[in-house]
Amino acid sequence: VQLVESGGGLVQPGGSLRLSCTVSGFTFTDYWMSWARQPPGKGLEWVASVKQDGTEKNYVDSVKGRFTISRDNAKNSLSLQMNSLRAEDTAIYYCVRGHRETYYWGQGTLVTVSS
Amino acid sequence: DVVMTQSPLSLPVTLGQPASISCRSSQSLVYSDGNTYLNWFRQRPGQSPRRLIYKVSNRDSGVPDRFSGSGSGTDFTLKISRVEAEDVGVYYCMQGTHWPRTFGQGTKVEIK
Repeated sequence: VQLVESGGGLVQPGGSLRLSCTVSGFTFTDYWMSWARQPPGKGLEWVASVKQDGTEKNYVDSVKGRFTISRDNAKNSLSLQMNSLRAEDTAIYYCVRGHRETYYWGQGTLVTVSS
Repeated sequence: DVVMTQSPLSLPVTLGQPASISCRSSQSLVYSDGNTYLNWFRQRPGQSPRRLIYKVSNRDSGVPDRFSGSGSGTDFTLKISRVEAEDVGVYYCMQGTHWPRTFGQGTKVEIK
């Protein structure tokens, strides 16, 4: 099982960024998928999850209306569109398989929101 | 949101001695299917979290049997029977029962 994130980088406050996660080694359509994040030197925070067919999505309150989680089952790919970014969104973003028993995590991609 | 409260936040331990971390949730973690979705993770510096325990007390493959999880409802514990040097890191509990999923603040385990 592999989960590989990409798309992180430096962005100005108010800007946008799109993260991607490409997976392999398991049947993508069998699992919910999630994003979690970790600000530098701080604890873990779950961000969002999407159901196998994309029909159900859940978000932490702090990102509702700004972030959108989506998946492309044909490409075994998970995405996180992040708009109206704030300094407090600075974190390592992890792609995670599942939402209840989250065993597989990617290595993460760093998003820095700063002017 | 369900608040997960860990204690202690820092845990200096002597090699070979036991260690225990508490995790309390603000609501019961029993899901409608009868399962309790409480996970324990360890994170080493520069690494992704690694799950050690799922559904309160189930040890993941490759996790030494000196690690054990227990508890029910809102009160959970991770125990290390005899701490080894490789056990250092930050330990997190996480609930997978309620939306949004939430983590404890983390407990840093270090060797005295």
